[in-house]
Amino acid sequence: NAGVTQTPKFRVLKTGQSMTLLCAQDMNHEYMYWYRQDPGMGLRLIHYSVGEGTTAKGEVPDGYNVSRLKKQNFLLGLESAAPSQTSVYFCASSTAGTDFYEQYFGPGTRLTVT
Amino acid sequence: SQKIEQNSEALNIQEGKTATLTCNYTNYSPAYLQWYRQDPGRGPVFLLLIRENEKEKRKERLKVTFDTTLKQSLFHITASQPADSATYLCALDKENSGYALNFGKGTSLLVTP
Repeated sequence: NAGVTQTPKFRVLKTGQSMTLLCAQDMNHEYMYWYRQDPGMGLRLIHYSVGEGTTAKGEVPDGYNVSRLKKQNFLLGLESAAPSQTSVYFCASSTAGTDFYEQYFGPGTRLTVT
Repeated sequence: SQKIEQNSEALNIQEGKTATLTCNYTNYSPAYLQWYRQDPGRGPVFLLLIRENEKEKRKERLKVTFDTTLKQSLFHITASQPADSATYLCALDKENSGYALNFGKGTSLLVTP
């Protein structure tokens, strides 16, 4: 069981370039999330998905798009990177049900936009 | 809007003592609260979940309390060890966001021998 994996681990982009961050989970979880973590700001929700083919905006969605074509994958896209998107990006997943469940996080992607 | 506050100052304690971390929240009536541990360069790792109708939860050397009147959770690590040194994050359910979490900024704990 690999849990939640993220690709790539590190990336440097120039302003205006685009890229896609890939998140994969092998736990058959329904819910998946993208967060960003900045010094002094804590973790903030970018987008989330409650199932295959569905996505929704979180707290800081501007400048990002997402897709969940397969249950195990959740992609985060930056169409035109800006320095303000320099951050560490974490993907997480959780199961669904009538109770409350913990989230499993990936190792993160450190992105620098110059 | 939902607001979560954790001590921004690092907590330094001696090995063997009990560490107590605080999480306060406002404008909120969470259904549950979670605590995570985060080591440098790594993703958060789940530790404990406590529901609104539970006063206290324990797991090995960890204890969490949840006071919905005070709008506060306390996280205790008893018999602390240097390996407990990390940042600890408090998280509450985020309204209308499919079980997404609203995180505090975390408190850094340093346990010295």
